[in-house]
Amino acid sequence: EDKVVQSPLSLVVHEGDTVTLNCSYEVTNFRSLLWYKQEKKAPTFLFMLTSSGIEKKSGRLSSILDKKELFSILNITATQTGDSAVYLCAVGRLDAGGTSYGKLTFGQGTILTVHP
Amino acid sequence: NAGVTQTPKFRVLKTGQSMTLLCAQDMNHEYMYWYRQDPGMGLRLIHYSVGEGTTAKGEVPDGYNVSRLKKQNFLLGLESAAPSQTSVYFCASKWRGLADTQYFGPGTRLTVL
Repeated sequence: EDKVVQSPLSLVVHEGDTVTLNCSYEVTNFRSLLWYKQEKKAPTFLFMLTSSGIEKKSGRLSSILDKKELFSILNITATQTGDSAVYLCAVGRLDAGGTSYGKLTFGQGTILTVHP
Repeated sequence: NAGVTQTPKFRVLKTGQSMTLLCAQDMNHEYMYWYRQDPGMGLRLIHYSVGEGTTAKGEVPDGYNVSRLKKQNFLLGLESAAPSQTSVYFCASKWRGLADTQYFGPGTRLTVL
């Protein structure tokens, strides 16, 4: 059974701190790993990673994938109160026949709270 | 361009009642998905569709049915609601290409008493 585990489950920091969120996975026929940010409503897409060791970066957020050790990290530097959200990690896979219907397995999420 | 929309936003049902949740997308995406989100459990896939007229079961399909009569719409039905179906339901869609990026609707909060 596919498994995606995120840690920590919750994190409280102050503005300006740097945080690292972790996502480990056990998925048959791995295809991609995605990070989403969820603020009260719909999850919004942050990054998709498919290759090991390549860093994806957008402003203060960055993410890297280690396909050998089966994990990814999401870094947020100089945190702001607007970064408070649930961060979701999801893994996409291929079916037994090698096709992909884009199905994702999600982790439980990490609740990040940034205090002023 | 509204993206993915869901109706209703909130609903309270009594045990045994039925209802249908509607998801609509205007991005011409082929694939659509229904998830439920419960505290501490992330998002779990209920059913999905890879095209008009086709549906398939996800991880937690029991107690739900779906239909995809038009490409832009994906309906989720509860025939006889149970308290265990109290949850937040999200619809998502994606293009049929290589990227696994799904785009989500705002969610429907359902309470079954």
